[in-house]
Amino acid sequence: EVQLLESGGGLVQPGGSLRLSCAASGFTFSSYAMSWVRQAPGKGLEWVSALSKSGGHTYYADSVKGRFTITRVNSKDTLYLQMNSLRAEDTAVYYCAKERASVGGTSFDYWGQGTLVTVSS
Amino acid sequence: DIQMTQSPSSLSASVGDRVTITCQASQDISNYLNWYQQNPGKAPKLLIYDASNLQTGVPSRFSGSGSGTDFTFTISSLQPEDIATYYCQQYDHVPPSFGPGTKVDIK
Repeated sequence: EVQLLESGGGLVQPGGSLRLSCAASGFTFSSYAMSWVRQAPGKGLEWVSALSKSGGHTYYADSVKGRFTITRVNSKDTLYLQMNSLRAEDTAVYYCAKERASVGGTSFDYWGQGTLVTVSS
Repeated sequence: DIQMTQSPSSLSASVGDRVTITCQASQDISNYLNWYQQNPGKAPKLLIYDASNLQTGVPSRFSGSGSGTDFTFTISSLQPEDIATYYCQQYDHVPPSFGPGTKVDIK
């Protein structure tokens, strides 16, 4: 059974940093791209970032480019999202999502339960 | 970036009714279109990929069709557990983008 477990969310002040983690199990992590998708309170889904299976190719939404960094450690079956210079508009539930393919930004066939990030003073 | 629109934004239907949601892309995306279900308070779930392929384990009352810019999602017989918001999503170009969602309620 595929499981994705996010952690690292919380309350942070504007301009602060957070690092999200996503622990994967139930599939060969190193064979698939992974993405982060977020959902602001009461709003729709917004793709944030993707990473190819090897970690060699990264993709970012314009809204987070230059502030967020996606990485993975395949030996630990874990995906990360380093979030710097956080803004109020980054407040959202952040979902880790497994992709159906080895390249990023395609179809998301399994999702974690999400972790809430709140940016507020 | 490719913009996705959906209609209607919400609907109410009776158990057993046929429900149809449409999704339109701002440019040709071939069949690179997915449909997701998000039950209240839950993570999204992939229902349909590549416009018309049913994800493993998804009931056959869900179906999708279309190509190019116009797509349709159908629930053939609405069930109480289908109360959810449904999103289309394109992946023909990065960034992948979602429609605004269609909220489905039981009448």
